[in-house]
Amino acid sequence: DTAVSQTPKYLVTQMGNDKSIKCEQNLGHDTMYWYKQDSKKFLKIMFSYNNKELIINETVPNRFSPKSPDKAHLNLHINSLELGDSAVYFCASSQGTTGSGETQYFGPGTRLLVL
Amino acid sequence: DQQVKQNSPSLSVQEGRISILNCDYTNSMFDYFLWYKKYPAEGPTFLISISSIKDKNEDGRFTVFLNKSAKHLSLHIVPSQPGDSAVYFCAASDPRRSQGNLIFGKGTKLSVKP
Repeated sequence: DTAVSQTPKYLVTQMGNDKSIKCEQNLGHDTMYWYKQDSKKFLKIMFSYNNKELIINETVPNRFSPKSPDKAHLNLHINSLELGDSAVYFCASSQGTTGSGETQYFGPGTRLLVL
Repeated sequence: DQQVKQNSPSLSVQEGRISILNCDYTNSMFDYFLWYKKYPAEGPTFLISISSIKDKNEDGRFTVFLNKSAKHLSLHIVPSQPGDSAVYFCAASDPRRSQGNLIFGKGTKLSVKP
């Protein structure tokens, strides 16, 4: 009965590879997000999707491409991985589409290590 | 620039006592604030929230206080329990930004000693 799930939980890969992280939510939420937690432990928004449409794209290299096949899924594809991409990536979802007052629910995170 | 600041990286309290975690923000447009709790190797779990139209919200052992004039909020946990040991993140929402993406503080690691 996991609300927001991510796969894989751990990902170790070589520089230059392409990888994907999957996210699924079974809460019936309209909005999904990707956050990155870097080595300094800051959680920063990367993307936000509402009903399969991109809403937010913060300053993220275009090597990162989110894909939302349906409202319950938001996958993150990363091309040409770099050492600096090593981080924990969290998926989240929220019910509403308005700017505030919405609680976001997070997945368990994917720990990406680029060697 | 850090719009949400948690200046104490860690806090240690004795079981049964009160834990007070603090958070400061710089953007007066923030109108919704949340606290998340995070255990190692898990995602942040929502704990409690407060709207800017309130100055207090209580849920069981957890109370959040908001002081808008000081741009400060705090989370009180009483009584503290060893299971409360985790990293606590303060987050804020800016209504001018679409879809309510949250701006997080750096977190405070709480250790509750038996």
